[in-house]
Amino acid sequence: DVKVTQSSRYLVKRTGEKVFLECVQDMDHENMFWYRQDPGLGLRLIYFSYDVKMKEKGDIPEGYSVSREKKERFSLILESASTNQTSMYLCASSLDLGTTYGYTFGSGTRLTVV
Amino acid sequence: RKEVEQDPGPFNVPEGATVAFNCTYSNSASQSFFWYRQDCRKEPKLLMSVYSSGNEDGRFTAQLNRASQYISLLIRDSKLSDSATYLCVVIPGGSYIPTFGRGTSLIVHP
Repeated sequence: DVKVTQSSRYLVKRTGEKVFLECVQDMDHENMFWYRQDPGLGLRLIYFSYDVKMKEKGDIPEGYSVSREKKERFSLILESASTNQTSMYLCASSLDLGTTYGYTFGSGTRLTVV
Repeated sequence: RKEVEQDPGPFNVPEGATVAFNCTYSNSASQSFFWYRQDCRKEPKLLMSVYSSGNEDGRFTAQLNRASQYISLLIRDSKLSDSATYLCVVIPGGSYIPTFGRGTSLIVHP
């Protein structure tokens, strides 16, 4: 089974801090994704990456950046955290884009910005 | 029109009941479809893919209706443990990025 590991389950950060969320997958998947999930809004794509050092904006990239220096690791960066970035952040990976195999999610990081 | 729409529910059913959810999608060229299950405060997990001819996995049956642009999930003989939110996922035509529905909440009670 593919395992997608997110480094923190819960985080509390102050407004203005730079925040790093880490995600590691162990099955050599090409594609990795960052979503945030908010009540009533569902899952919204922030960024995705289809290869090392490659990244594409999703639906809501403002206030975020990403880094993919190694195939197995995809980091989400909040440059200057704000209270409206309080959310559940979910990382996912997939074998191929447009996959028939589905996406595997990490267990999520619940971020609170105070 | 939203790309992927689901009735948020909640669907409140007794154990043993049969329940069905639909999910409509707007892009007629969509090619790949999935159902995910998400338990409270947990990550989504793949329940099943949806194939053109329909497919079954135990008590769960998934169907695709291309003409009307919806997919469905049927759960027979509901168990308490089926209580969760069910997300439909569509990969729109011309894209390779999944679009998630907002989920349908199912509560199975004794």
